[in-house]
Amino acid sequence: DVKVTQSSRYLVKRTGEKVFLECVQDMDHENMFWYRQDPGLGLRLIYFSYDVKMKEKGDIPEGYSVSREKKERFSLILESASTNQTSMYLCASSPRDSLYSNQPQHFGDGTRLSIL
Amino acid sequence: AQSVTQLGSHVSVSEGALVLLRCNYSSSVPPYLFWYVQYPNQGLQLLLKYTSAATLVKGINGFEAEFKKSETSFHLTKPSAHMSDAAEYFCAVSDRSFQKLVFGTGTRLLVSP
Repeated sequence: DVKVTQSSRYLVKRTGEKVFLECVQDMDHENMFWYRQDPGLGLRLIYFSYDVKMKEKGDIPEGYSVSREKKERFSLILESASTNQTSMYLCASSPRDSLYSNQPQHFGDGTRLSIL
Repeated sequence: AQSVTQLGSHVSVSEGALVLLRCNYSSSVPPYLFWYVQYPNQGLQLLLKYTSAATLVKGINGFEAEFKKSETSFHLTKPSAHMSDAAEYFCAVSDRSFQKLVFGTGTRLLVSP
């Protein structure tokens, strides 16, 4: 089975801190995604990556950046954390040929981030 | 642009009753449609997917969904609810590349004894 591992389940940080959320997948997937999940808003795409060192903005990229130096790892960075970034963050991955392999995205268990 | 609308942020049923969770989509191209389930403190797990084969799709845990193009709907059903079905359910739509999913706002299913 595909495993997507997020390094922390719970994280508490202070406003203004630089925060790193890490995600690792073990299935050699080309595509990786970061979402944030808020009550009543569902999942919203922050950034995604189709390949190493490649990234594209999603629907809500403001205040975030990403890094993909290795295929299996996709990091989300909060440059200067603010209280409105308190949320659940979900990482996902999928193969490039997901259309033909019929595999949609596989998700990690999430990181619940609190900014105080 | 693609979007999905889930009607009802909360749905309550009794154990053994029919489960019906509603999803309507908007897409300018033939869509791929998905239902995911999220149990407390977990990530999302795929329940089922529609990829333009059969319009009635069967998934895991006894769930199924029917793609109705004329109604732009993809409602999720289960004939008999079980306590273990209590979770949040998300409908999602993708274009034919599968690369990006657009999610609905979710429906929390509550099951009472």
